[in-house]
Amino acid sequence: QSVLTQPPSVSGAPGQRVTISCTGSSSNIGAAYGTHWYQHLLGTAPKLLIYGNDNRPSGVPDRFSGSKSGTSASLAITGLQAEDEADYYCQSYDSSLSSWVFGGGTKLTVL
Amino acid sequence: QVQLQQWGAGLLKPSETLSLTCAVYGGSFSGYHWSWIRQPPGKGLEWIGEINHSGSTNYNPSLKSRVTVSVDTSKNQFSLKLSSVTAADTAVYFCARVGSSYYSSGMDVWGQGTTVTVSS
Repeated sequence: QSVLTQPPSVSGAPGQRVTISCTGSSSNIGAAYGTHWYQHLLGTAPKLLIYGNDNRPSGVPDRFSGSKSGTSASLAITGLQAEDEADYYCQSYDSSLSSWVFGGGTKLTVL
Repeated sequence: QVQLQQWGAGLLKPSETLSLTCAVYGGSFSGYHWSWIRQPPGKGLEWIGEINHSGSTNYNPSLKSRVTVSVDTSKNQFSLKLSSVTAADTAVYFCARVGSSYYSSGMDVWGQGTTVTVSS
């Protein structure tokens, strides 16, 4: 059972918009700590997509965006492409555990 | 451009100690925290622990009794030891850098991953 809750799977057709939710609590997302998002393809290292709730590292397309509201965060992907098919993880720091925590991961399928 | 290269034994027997090392190339070692994360087969990412350049550590409470993360600043390397391994510790292990703003940075540089299998 992950501290951060994500849907196991989402799907969308090429060109569409999808969102992935990440629900936490007042000791992680709801606190002052940022929420971060990673894209993970099997056999490779996870890639940082969004940091600090809504910031994109250099090189990440602006089709990817993040937001936070209360104790939840979301990752939105617009103009869905076949190459976006991957697992996506949210992450935050948890003050009760004094530990980094990840969501359980969401598998994105591009139909 | 910072790169992380990791290595260590890939096959262990139950009760042995897992040992991995991660080297930092092309960037500053100080001013950052350095983490270990793992992914068991078919499961999600799990944070294991971290260390900074001065040797201050922080561990996942669920693994704390078996984990030691250490640093060798002379070589820009940090290491993971996980004792008394079982089949449940079979996973791909990654090293990663926590960005300079810590809480608001995310883990921005990752090692290539090492597959560790625990089997008798």
